[in-house]
Amino acid sequence: AQSVTQLGSHVSVSEGALVLLRCNYSSSVPPYLFWYVQYPNQGLQLLLKYTTGATLVKGINGFEAEFKKSETSFHLTKPSAHMSDAAEYFCAVRGQAGGGNKLTFGTGTQLKVEL
Amino acid sequence: GAGVSQSPSNKVTEKGKDVELRCDPISGHTALYWYRQRLGQGLEFLIYFQGNSAPDKSGLPSDRFSAERTGESVSTLTIQRTQQEDSAVYLCASSLNWLVRADEQFFGPGTRLTVL
Repeated sequence: AQSVTQLGSHVSVSEGALVLLRCNYSSSVPPYLFWYVQYPNQGLQLLLKYTTGATLVKGINGFEAEFKKSETSFHLTKPSAHMSDAAEYFCAVRGQAGGGNKLTFGTGTQLKVEL
Repeated sequence: GAGVSQSPSNKVTEKGKDVELRCDPISGHTALYWYRQRLGQGLEFLIYFQGNSAPDKSGLPSDRFSAERTGESVSTLTIQRTQQEDSAVYLCASSLNWLVRADEQFFGPGTRLTVL
């Protein structure tokens, strides 16, 4: 079984400031971890994923995330926020492949970027 | 190529009516997933298909919910005797190979269902 907790349903940053969106997971097997972004009235788009190997993962639009097994975390960061980053962000975990690869999502974090 | 498409984009129905939601996956994708997103909540897994069979229906909330997939392509999610708590955005996703754990799921834009 697996679960995801996203701390902070709403995060507000100034344009140009650091973005930090928190995600903690629970998984009975080595996890595969994902971050998705959802813009208004659109489907989810994959930002980045961790499977195995390098723990610092770079994604699209300047985002990156670091897998920390000791902390069971996979926080999403971006050094400098842009207005276009305003969206909802979802962290997800996938268990073992025998489960059909379904994703278990967190409740999401709405990111607001202010001038 | 085209992405995952869903229809209708919006559906308003009266309590007690049946609704059908359609998903057209990316051509060639063998796996298809349905998720539900209720207001203020994360996505809940409903059901997934490998080809035309559905090995995992564990997320379907009740027997009012059913889904089918034909021709390893289009899928339909049917909700019978809709209730107000069924109001949500229903998202469909497809992926190339369900056996590959790192396989990316591509999401459609969703169908927003409102039950009055």
